[in-house]
Amino acid sequence: EIVMTQSPATLSVSPGERATLSCRASQSVSSNLAWYQQKPGQAPRLLIYGASTRATGIPARFSGSGSGTEFTLTISSLQSEDFAVYYCQQYNNWPITFGQGTRLEIK
Amino acid sequence: EVQLVESGGGVVQPGGSLRLSCAASGFTFDDYAMHWVRQAPGKGLEWVSLISGDGGSTYYADSVKGRFTISRDNSKNSLYLQMNSLRTEDTALYYCAKSHGDYWGQGTLVTVSS
Repeated sequence: EIVMTQSPATLSVSPGERATLSCRASQSVSSNLAWYQQKPGQAPRLLIYGASTRATGIPARFSGSGSGTEFTLTISSLQSEDFAVYYCQQYNNWPITFGQGTRLEIK
Repeated sequence: EVQLVESGGGVVQPGGSLRLSCAASGFTFDDYAMHWVRQAPGKGLEWVSLISGDGGSTYYADSVKGRFTISRDNSKNSLYLQMNSLRTEDTALYYCAKSHGDYWGQGTLVTVSS
């Protein structure tokens, strides 16, 4: 099983600033990596797939990069609605696995 | 508009069984694989199972293999998860999700407790 490790566990950032979230895979997942956002009481929302392609309706301030084992989600200028938990997910190998999540909180 | 609506959750004793359903609408159901993903209270996301669009291929997490069975009825636009030999650690909100993770239901809560 591929283990996905996200860092940091919690990230405190001020509105308007940039946030950088990391995700590392225990072995290569090529570009088969997705990012999700989850707010309390809501289902996850797909942000990025294929490591760098924004899903439909996702604002341009969200961007993904990386391939192989190292991936990054960048939010260029944080808005109040961006404070949430973010998960990476690999779908290159069975079983599909998620990272443990990064909580993005207001500083 | 794509909609996924889960049902069938509830409280069950350890060792018991439960069958979850997911009613899909707004897209051509049999064109897409479907997932079950769960989230224990206060915890992260855990992928559970996937079934191909024609139902011919299924995949499971090791934690549920041999106990859970995913199936679908394309004539009814419905996805199912038969859960047997339930354990306390299966307690979670169970989501169904469309193949690329672009649409999710709101989840149905399964509580395994004596």
